[in-house]
Amino acid sequence: EVQLVQSGAEVKKPGATVKISCKVSGYTFTDYYMHWVQQAPGKGLEWMGLVDPEDGETMFAEKFQGRVTMTADTSTDTAYMELSSLRSEDTAVYYCATTGATSSYWGQGTLVTVSS
Amino acid sequence: DIVMTQTPLSSPVTLGQPASISCRSSQSLVHSDGNTYLSWLQQRPGQPPRLLIYKISNRFSGVPDRFSGSGAGTDFTLKISRVEAEDVGVYYCMQATQFPYSFGQGTKLEIK
Repeated sequence: EVQLVQSGAEVKKPGATVKISCKVSGYTFTDYYMHWVQQAPGKGLEWMGLVDPEDGETMFAEKFQGRVTMTADTSTDTAYMELSSLRSEDTAVYYCATTGATSSYWGQGTLVTVSS
Repeated sequence: DIVMTQTPLSSPVTLGQPASISCRSSQSLVHSDGNTYLSWLQQRPGQPPRLLIYKISNRFSGVPDRFSGSGAGTDFTLKISRVEAEDVGVYYCMQATQFPYSFGQGTKLEIK
C-alpha cells in the first residue's frame, strides 16, 4: 500500500522558515517525482514545484521561486519542503503528492499557520 | 502557463441524478509523446485530494464506474452517472502536460 505521511501542523511568525517532511512507503521512492501543492483556507489547489528523488533536481512555480527549497533523502525515503520569509498569505495546508502517468498519491496535508 | 477553467463552480444535484463538470485548458494538453495528461481529482470535506481519472478517461484503482471522463485537446468533461451522498466534495481538473502543472478552480458538488 502506497503511503505518504507528512509531519504535523506548524505555527510560525512572519519572516520565519518552515520545513515539512513527507515520508513515503509502498513504492520505490526514486521512481516518481515528489510534488508539493498549496491550499489556502477555503481555496483551490496550487502547484508549488517538484523534486526528483533520483538526482535532487527541482522545478518551482514562479510564485515560489527564491523562497522554496525541495529536497529528497533517499536513505530515509523522505521528501522535504522548506518555505522561507513566511507571510500571512502562506497560511495554508501543504500537500506532498506523487503523480505518475497512471497514478497519484497524496499525503494527508500539513497545516502551516503564519501569525504574529 | 496553461490556465484551466472549470464550469460550473457549484453544482447542486439530486441524489441518483447525473452530474457533469467541464474543464477547458488555455492550450492543447496533447503532450509531445502523444498522451494527454488531464486528470480529475476529488476532495471530500476535510480530506486530501484523491485521483479519480487519469489521461482523460482512465479510472484509477478503486474508483466506482459511475465516474467517467471524456474529451480531447482543450475540452474535457467529468460525468457522474448517478450521484451518491459520498460524492459530495470539490472536484478539480489538473493538467500535467506542461510545467508548471495547473489545476482548475474547483467545482463544489452538493446535494439538493
